Amino acid sequence: DADVTQTPRNRITKTGKRIMLECSQTKGHDRMYWYRQDPGLGLRLIYYSFDVKDINKGEISDGYSVSRQAQAKFSLSLESAIPNQTALYFCATSGGARGDTQYFGPGTRLTVL
Amino acid sequence: DAKTTQPNSMESNEEEPVHLPCNHSTISGTDYIHWYRQLPSQGPEYVIHGLTSNVNNRMASLAIAEDRKSSTLILHRATLRDAAVYYCIRWTSGAGSYQLTFGKGTKLSVIP
Repeated sequence: DADVTQTPRNRITKTGKRIMLECSQTKGHDRMYWYRQDPGLGLRLIYYSFDVKDINKGEISDGYSVSRQAQAKFSLSLESAIPNQTALYFCATSGGARGDTQYFGPGTRLTVL
Repeated sequence: DAKTTQPNSMESNEEEPVHLPCNHSTISGTDYIHWYRQLPSQGPEYVIHGLTSNVNNRMASLAIAEDRKSSTLILHRATLRDAAVYYCIRWTSGAGSYQLTFGKGTKLSVIP
């Protein structure tokens, strides 16, 4: 089984709808991250969490919110989806050691019409 | 601001070594250099990282310049499965943040 799973893998929605993307990990890591990737570009950090009580904004947090329900679960919400939020979304985890490695999920492809 | 500079694309013949360069001229003394790769339709995958010394693992080698302003990822024998976008990333800490900042990376094509 995959260490980092994301649901759904694909989602098509309409402008104005509320959408939640979920991420679960079995690596026992404290740190979790949400990234966004647009075509031809690298990943950009949306939010990150170092533990259940710690949430931090990343480079592009406007229009998004997150919830860290447990050590293993980190959800990303789009309160009112808009077309320019159409992108590939990746969740990642890391163990927190200095210079540590991030492990990525398979991604969620979101299309907002 | 990815803080690193990489060529947009490179080509390699299958079973030949590949040297992927990265410039990080403004790196600070405590920043690590990470390399990740992203295969088509997949999430990024960790390749290797280092601070000052050269590093080797089962996937690749990382050669870091003595002044740390540049580094080179070395794939010893390229295979078709190595065709991916390779990201060179400065892992920067400060004020409680530990973030990977991705640039556009280098798209590696492997020719059979």
